[in-house]
Amino acid sequence: DVKVTQSSRYLVKRTGEKVFLECVQDMDHENMFWYRQDPGLGLRLIYFSYDVKMKEKGDIPEGYSVSREKKERFSLILESASTNQTSMYLCASSSVWTGKLLVATNEKLFFGSGTQLSVL
Amino acid sequence: GQQVMQIPQYQHVQEGEDFTTYCNSSTTLSNIQWYKQRPGGHPVFLIQLVKSGEVKKQKRLTFQFGEAKKNSSLHITATQTTDVGTYFCAAKTSYDKVIFGPGTSLSVIP
Repeated sequence: DVKVTQSSRYLVKRTGEKVFLECVQDMDHENMFWYRQDPGLGLRLIYFSYDVKMKEKGDIPEGYSVSREKKERFSLILESASTNQTSMYLCASSSVWTGKLLVATNEKLFFGSGTQLSVL
Repeated sequence: GQQVMQIPQYQHVQEGEDFTTYCNSSTTLSNIQWYKQRPGGHPVFLIQLVKSGEVKKQKRLTFQFGEAKKNSSLHITATQTTDVGTYFCAAKTSYDKVIFGPGTSLSVIP
């Protein structure tokens, strides 16, 4: 089974701190994603990466950065945490989209268990 | 940017009743996925629909992709307490970016 592991289940930080959220997947997936989940807003895409050292902004990248130095690891960085970044953070991975003829079964996202971050 | 909308936001049903959630996009989708998130859990993939007008079934769950590939639905027949959770639709854009709808939270009253 695919495993996506997030380093912490719960995290409490102070305003202004630099925060690192780590995510590791063991299925050699090309694509990795960071979402945040807030009540009533669903999952919103922060950043994603389709290859090592590649990154693309999602819908809400402000206040975040990412790092993908190795294929299996995708890190989310909050340079200076603020209270409005209190949220559940979910990491996900999927295999590559090889074009219009992609076999559908390879595209599903596998999620980690999430990190509930509280910024005080 | 591309948006995916879902209705209703919440649904409370008596056990044994049917349930439907609808997903709509402002643009034509290449495919649509459905996920289920149990309370306290993380989203788990249910199914992917690719073809226009496609209908797929998983036991009591029926998934449909609209003819114009702009909308989709998930229908649960005779809900059970194990169906409780939030159901999300998700659409893939270019470069494998996957965006999610806001979800429908289902409560089942025993």
